Amino acid sequence: SQQGEEDPQALSIQEGENATMNCSYKTSINNLQWYRQNSGRGLVHLILIRSNEREKHSGRLRVTLDTSKKSSSLLITASRAADTASYFCAIGSNDYKLSFGAGTTVTVRA
Amino acid sequence: SQTIHQWPATLVQPVGSPLSLECTVEGTSNPNLYWYRQAAGRGLQLLFYSVGIGQISSEVPQNLSASRPQDRQFILSSKKLLLSDSGFYLCAWSGLAGAQTRTQYFGPGTRLTVL
Repeated sequence: SQQGEEDPQALSIQEGENATMNCSYKTSINNLQWYRQNSGRGLVHLILIRSNEREKHSGRLRVTLDTSKKSSSLLITASRAADTASYFCAIGSNDYKLSFGAGTTVTVRA
Repeated sequence: SQTIHQWPATLVQPVGSPLSLECTVEGTSNPNLYWYRQAAGRGLQLLFYSVGIGQISSEVPQNLSASRPQDRQFILSSKKLLLSDSGFYLCAWSGLAGAQTRTQYFGPGTRLTVL
């Protein structure tokens, strides 16, 4: 199964700024999901976008999907200190599994 | 509502000792269950997944094994730990409601250090 690759590996922003991270993959997908992991904790599901969707919103999160470029982006608007975490994209194919990338570590400075 | 439990939260074990990590899910039936390992600062490596009692699929050859003795119980084991088994172990479940999307819900994890 394929993995998503996130970019950048790390991101440092000021509180109130927007944070954007990207995920690229190589073959066809059923869906693409984004998860957040606070240090030393389990992952929390943030948002899912299906292969036939182009954009989804959830609160301050906006996810786009471009299947022609095999890429997705996650935008966090008006960042807060509590958004400091690692963010992972996960590729959902036509089986029971998700394939996770290595993640983007986001630090929001007060 | 559904809840997933993992224990212990942290574990320090000597090389060559056995291992048993347990994961249980509440509030759902027939979940798919998953064990992942996460090395420091890295992504998640899928180790095992299970779609039913006694049904275990292994993703990578390794020193570990998994069992599912009950519908909502998933156990990760080793007979003899290696230094390379150190890491953060995460259990997750996905349910029939997410069958088409495979959204996964994670436990709090177990930090294993092998010395």
